[in-house]
Amino acid sequence: AQSVSQHNHHVILSEAASLELGCNYSYGGTVNLFWYVQYPGQHLQLLLKYFSGDPLVKGIKGFEAEFIKSKFSFNLRKPSVQWSDTAEYFCAVNEAGGYNKLIFGAGTRLAVHP
Amino acid sequence: SAVISQKPSRDICQRGTSLTIQCQVDSQVTMMFWYRQQPGQSLTLIATANQGSEATYESGFVIDKFPISRPNLTFSTLTVSNLSPEDSSIYLCSVEGGGLGYGYTFGSGTRLTVV
Repeated sequence: AQSVSQHNHHVILSEAASLELGCNYSYGGTVNLFWYVQYPGQHLQLLLKYFSGDPLVKGIKGFEAEFIKSKFSFNLRKPSVQWSDTAEYFCAVNEAGGYNKLIFGAGTRLAVHP
Repeated sequence: SAVISQKPSRDICQRGTSLTIQCQVDSQVTMMFWYRQQPGQSLTLIATANQGSEATYESGFVIDKFPISRPNLTFSTLTVSNLSPEDSSIYLCSVEGGGLGYGYTFGSGTRLTVV
C-alpha cells in the first residue's frame, strides 16, 4: 500500500532563512507527487506537482521540489522564506495513470517569525 | 481549473443526527473524492465517487455511516450519519483540477462539530 512520510511535524524559521521539508513515499510503481499548502483558515492549495520529465519542479510563490526516484523522495525547498509562508504543508502521492486517489502525509506546520 | 462550492461551511449538530454536505463543481469531472481532516491531523480519504456507480470506500469507512450520492458529473453529497463527537472534523471534497496532469482541487471544507 502507498504511504507518505513527512519527517518534520513542526518547523520554526526566521524570515529569509532557507527551507527544506522532507517527504518520502512508499510505492512500488510509477507515482505522481504533489505538495499542497493550507494557510491559516484557508483551504488546500496546490503548490506544485510532479508527473514526469524534469525532476526539479518549480511551483508558485518561489517554491520548488526535487523528485529523487532512487530515494523515493520529493523534498520541498524555498531559498528564503517570508512571514506569509506560515502555513501547513502536505506532501501527497498517487498512482500514475488515471484519476487516482491521493495519499497524504501527516503534514508539516511551518511558522516563520519576522 | 475546476472551482468547487462546498456547503455548508460549518455546522454544529446534535449527537445521533445526520449532516449532509454538498459539493458542486463548475465543470464536469469524472471522479470526486471525499476526505476527512480530523483536528490537527492530515487528510484521510473516505471514498471515491463515480457518476452512475456506487462509491468506493476506503478501509475503515462504510456506506451506512457515510452514504454518498453522485447524481451527475458536477455534483455529489456526503452524509455523515448517526453523529458522535468523534465525527467532529473537517470534511472536504476534491476533484481533478482540469484533466490529467493538472492536479487536484479541493473545496473549502465543512467544519462539523458534534455536541
